[in-house]
This record gives sequence, structure tokens and C-alpha cells, in this order.
Amino acid sequence: DAKTTQPPSMDCAEGRAANLPCNHSTISGNEYVYWYRQIHSQGPQYIIHGLKNNETNEMASLIITEDRKSSTLILPHATLRDTAVYYCIAKFLTGGFKTIFGAGTRLFVKA
Amino acid sequence: SQTIHQWPATLVQPVGSPLSLECTVEGTSNPNLYWYRQAAGRGLQLLFYSVGIGQISSEVPQNLSASRPQDRQFILSSKKLLLSDSGFYLCAWNRVDTGELFFGEGSRLTVL
Repeated sequence: DAKTTQPPSMDCAEGRAANLPCNHSTISGNEYVYWYRQIHSQGPQYIIHGLKNNETNEMASLIITEDRKSSTLILPHATLRDTAVYYCIAKFLTGGFKTIFGAGTRLFVKA
Repeated sequence: SQTIHQWPATLVQPVGSPLSLECTVEGTSNPNLYWYRQAAGRGLQLLFYSVGIGQISSEVPQNLSASRPQDRQFILSSKKLLLSDSGFYLCAWNRVDTGELFFGEGSRLTVL
């Protein structure tokens, strides 16, 4: 699986969009980008994943650059409950049995 | 729908005592199962994964072992706990079609 790089921490004002970047410059053509988040004292929660096209669900939007070397997770209206560590992972959809988590980005949403 | 359960939720054990953490998955068959550990203030470390009954792969050398006696049951064990075994242990399974990982509630182990 390709290595991903994320900033260690970010702040966001409540009600504003939170844009979390991720670099994955060595990603291969068949690797997907997955995002998870971990709220304190809980297990990680799946947010969204994508291959090439931008994706949106009820939690977030995922924007992947055309060259696929980076992506951005967007929380459109951040709330205090979105304060968590966000993990970006590049992973093959099939045959990749292991998911390795990096350090992630600690997002602080402030009132 | 699929669910995953872990127990016990919290555990305080003396050094040198045995350990058994249990994880069960419902609503799916032949899942890939995982044990992760998160030490205080640290990231998630993959300990073991299993693709089927009796099939265990270890990611890091350690004081722990894992077993999968049944399709949807995954057990983490130790014969003698060390202080460094303290942490938050998470069991997970993944959907083969989408690759999503689903985690249990976690078991917090304190070794004194």
C-alpha cells in the first residue's frame, strides 16, 4: 500500500468547512483512498473512500486530484463532535488484507 | 446487518497474569478479522489478522497470540502479561467488496 502523508493537526471553527489534506504521491492505479476517523476512546469509523472520481456521502466529501497524488476530505459544516483523529489510507480494494494506519491528522473543532 | 462485539470492555490485570480478549462478528460469513492495539497517546498498531478458521498472521513479534476457533470468533491471548501490554485493543472485520473496516467497541487493558 502506498504511503500517505497528513499534517499532524488542524483547527477548524464550528460551522465552517474542514478541509483535511492527504498526500499519496506513490499511489498506484488500483489503490483506493480511504478515510477513517477516531473519536477519543472509540474505534476508528469508516468515512468514505474513492478511486478517481470525487465522492460524497452523508458524512463528507472526498476530492481526489486528477493525478491522484493527493486528496482532500471535506466536512462541510464541522461540529464539535467532529473533533477526532482523521486517517487517510491508500489501499488495494481486493487482496489487501491489511490496513495500516498512520499517525493521522488531529482535527480540533472550536466553538 | 453486521455487528461486531468485544469483551471485556475494561480489564485491570497484574503483571504475569494471563489474558483472553474475545471478539465475535455477526451477520457475515468468512470475514477477515483483525486485532489492533493502541498504546496511550500512540497510533493503531496491527497485531494479527486472520482470513479463515485457524489461519493467523502475526504482524509484530510480541507477548501475545491470537486464535480463530470458529468462523466469526477471534481471540487474543497472553500467558503472562507485561506492563507494555497495556493499551486499547480493537477487533475489526472488513467487507471484501468495498474494503471497509468495521471496528468493535474496544477493550482497554491496564497491566499493573
